[in-house]
Amino acid sequence: RKEVEQDPGPFNVPEGATVAFNCTYSNSASQSFFWYRQDCRKEPKLLMSVYSSGNEDGRFTAQLNRASQYISLLIRDSKLSDSATYLCAVNAGKSTFGDGTTLTVKP
Amino acid sequence: EAQVTQNPRYLITVTGKKLTVTCSQNMNHEYMSWYRQDPGLGLRQIYYSMNVEVTDKGDVPEGYKVSRKEKRNFPLILESPSPNQTSLYFCASSFWPPDRNEQYFGPGTRLTVT
Repeated sequence: RKEVEQDPGPFNVPEGATVAFNCTYSNSASQSFFWYRQDCRKEPKLLMSVYSSGNEDGRFTAQLNRASQYISLLIRDSKLSDSATYLCAVNAGKSTFGDGTTLTVKP
Repeated sequence: EAQVTQNPRYLITVTGKKLTVTCSQNMNHEYMSWYRQDPGLGLRQIYYSMNVEVTDKGDVPEGYKVSRKEKRNFPLILESPSPNQTSLYFCASSFWPPDRNEQYFGPGTRLTVT
């Protein structure tokens, strides 16, 4: 079993839809959590950190559930420009990335 | 501009011909790391460095070497490349400790070994 697992995807949604991704992790000692966005063939870039109390940045909401060992990313009112691959990163001394979930937002 | 740079961006080479991929960051980050990204396998860490002259193996170090003689540079060396090292490579850096800080990635190097 992988240390970090993400929804396999791909997710194909219409503009304006709400979409949620989950990421589960196996190391209960994990300290910090991030969501990265990766556009096709480009480098991952930080989308947002994930705080214990949950956090929001515009249309994006990240949540952490330590008891069930997963993090989530919610995107509201999807835009065409949200089309990308979303990687979760779980850190316990080092960063372990999920394989990513691909989102395509269609007109 | 704060950035991580990698060179070359694209490289096609033949089996056994030594190559070096350079990585440089201008953010005074202590921590630097190399990843490879393959379809279905995600990002896997090759080597990392906690500071100058301090390096350690990641999850997939076989066939690679690194050095950290200066804080800003962290080159990846393939002494004898093989086709299974065909991949997309990313260098990344962050402040210490890496598990508390965002990682900044370079633009990637697409390597093909024939």
